[in-house]
This record gives sequence, structure tokens and C-alpha cells, in this order.
Amino acid sequence: GQQLNQSPQSMFIQEGEDVSMNCTSSSIFNTWLWYKQDPGEGPVLLIALYKAGELTSNGRLTAQFGITRKDSFLNISASIPSDVGIYFCAGQSSPGKSTFGDGTTLTVKP
Amino acid sequence: DTAVSQTPKYLVTQMGNDKSIKCEQNLGHDTMYWYKQDSKKFLKIMFSYNNKELIINETVPNRFSPKSPDKAHLNLHINSLELGDSAVYFCASSQVLAGVGEQFFGPGTRLTVL
Repeated sequence: GQQLNQSPQSMFIQEGEDVSMNCTSSSIFNTWLWYKQDPGEGPVLLIALYKAGELTSNGRLTAQFGITRKDSFLNISASIPSDVGIYFCAGQSSPGKSTFGDGTTLTVKP
Repeated sequence: DTAVSQTPKYLVTQMGNDKSIKCEQNLGHDTMYWYKQDSKKFLKIMFSYNNKELIINETVPNRFSPKSPDKAHLNLHINSLELGDSAVYFCASSQVLAGVGEQFFGPGTRLTVL
């Protein structure tokens, strides 16, 4: 089946720093999704990307759909303590069929 | 209003028992899913139903049986529970007919098998 490599696996940063994480795949995806999971909660959709090359922002978050359709990155600027959580990428080859990355656990030190 | 809800939130039970988890979505979506998240936080698809019909059935033991009485509900019944079934189970929904299909997740059910 399709595999996603998400990196880094974990990050420990200081409040105010910028964060970057990415996902790569050997397969082409038509949609890239980025989710955040807070402890004890379900993943919440942050950004959805539908076209190769697309760059989308949501507040301090920016994500891009790679031009090859095999990768995507998520940047968080000026991190704050509530950014703590697990970030998942997901690629869809067809609507509703998501392959999830293994997650990036973000810790923000005040 | 809760978009995707699951009950119970926590479930602690003995090995060998049978249990069910319920899921409801009020988003009007046409597709619902069950995911399993293990202790390493990996999210794995188990089942997907579109308009009450099973469309994805990953390699899941047949002790797990999903049931969709209508397109707003997808329940998961588990027979003869084993220690390895301990995990967090997430229900999700999406509107696949819209051509995008991003999933919206419930809050999860933490299952502990003793």
C-alpha cells in the first residue's frame, strides 16, 4: 500500500521559534491534508491542499502541496505553548481515502 | 453542536468480552470511517462506509464488525476482546461526493482490555 514518511518524528522548540515539518511519499496524491491532535482528542483539520504547487495559510500556519504531488510541508511561525500536540499529514489519492503519516510530536517550551 | 460524536469515551473490559462503540455524525456526510490509533499514535484505517455500504475493509480480524443503520451512524462491535485490541478508536466522516473528502474526527473511544 501507499506509505508516507513524515519527519521529524518529534520536535522540542522554544516559544517564539518557527517550526517546519514535512511528508514525502513514493506515490502521487491528489489532496494533502494536515491535522493536529491535542491530548485526549481526535485529530482536527488545519489545512487542506488540492492542487500541486498550492500554498495555503491559516493564521500562523502555512502549508504547501509539492509540485511533484509526492510531498507537502507545514510551517508554524512564532510558536506558542498551545501549538503543542501531534501533527499528522494525510495524502488522498481519491476522495475520502486517506493515508496518514506517523505524526510529528511538537513540544513548545515557554 | 458536536459534529462527530462517539460513545463511550472510555471503555474498560475483560478479555473475551464483547463490546460496542457507537458513532453519530450530524454533518450530513455520506461516508463514515473507523480508525484505530495504537500506543505509538499511528492512525490506521479499519473500515469505511458510504451511504451504509462497506467500501473499505482493511486487514482487520473478523471479530470486528461494523454496522451502519443509516448514513449518520456507524457502530463498531468487537467480539472476544483481546489484549491487543487496547487502543483509541476514532470515528470520522467526510463528504466524498463533493470530490474532496477531508475527514472530520470524533473525540475517540479509549478501549482498555484487561
